Amino acid sequence: GEDVEQSLFLSVREGDSSVINCTYTDSSSTYLYWYKQEPGAGLQLLTYIFSNMDMKQDQRLTVLLNKKDKHLSLRIADTQTGDSAIYFCAERKASNYQLIWGAGTKLIIKP
Amino acid sequence: DTAVSQTPKYLVTQMGNDKSIKCEQNLGHDTMYWYKQDSKKFLKIMFSYNNKELIINETVPNRFSPKSPDKAHLNLHINSLELGDSAVYFCASSPASGGSYEQYFGPGTRLTVT
Repeated sequence: GEDVEQSLFLSVREGDSSVINCTYTDSSSTYLYWYKQEPGAGLQLLTYIFSNMDMKQDQRLTVLLNKKDKHLSLRIADTQTGDSAIYFCAERKASNYQLIWGAGTKLIIKP
Repeated sequence: DTAVSQTPKYLVTQMGNDKSIKCEQNLGHDTMYWYKQDSKKFLKIMFSYNNKELIINETVPNRFSPKSPDKAHLNLHINSLELGDSAVYFCASSPASGGSYEQYFGPGTRLTVT
C-alpha cells in the first residue's frame, strides 16, 4: 500500500542538529520533498531530492536518501527557534501527479 | 507578488449553508490542487485539475464541487456544510512537466462550521 511514515514529534536543544526521518513504500517514486509548516501558515517547500541522488545539501539543510531502505531524512544544522514548525515528508508517485504525504513531524526547540 | 492566493482566509458559517473558497496562482502552472488539513494536521488531497480538467477526485462527498474557470483559478464550492467540514483548506499548484513538479501552497482558509 501507499504509506509515508514519520514520527509525530522531535525535541532538540537550540544549537544542536535536528534529524527528521521519513520512510516510504513506493520504490518507483521519482521525487521526495520536505515541506515546513509554521503555525497558522501554509506549507512551504524546503527542499526536494530526485530519486537517483543520495544526498542534497542546501545551507543548513541536508537531505539523505537511502533508496534501498526507502528512507529519507532531513538534517537541520544549528537548530534555531525559527525552525520550530511541522515538517512534512512527501513522495511523488511515478504514475501520476499525486503526492503521498506523511503525517508531519513537529519539531520542538528547547532553550 | 503572491504566488498562490486564497480567499477568504477565515470563514465562519452555520451548518447547512453553502460557501465558496477561491484560489488563484500567478506562477503559470498547469496543475492545481485542493487539500484538507484536519485538526491533527493530517493533509488529505481532495481534487486536482490539470489545464482545467479534473484528474484527481478522491473520495470526497458530492457536496464539494471544484470549478476551474481557467488555468490560473481553482475554486471550491461546498453545499450543505456540516460540522465535520471544519478544517483548514489549502490550495496548491505545480508545473505539469519539465522539472521537479514541486507544489506551491496558498496560505490556507480556516473554515469553522457551527
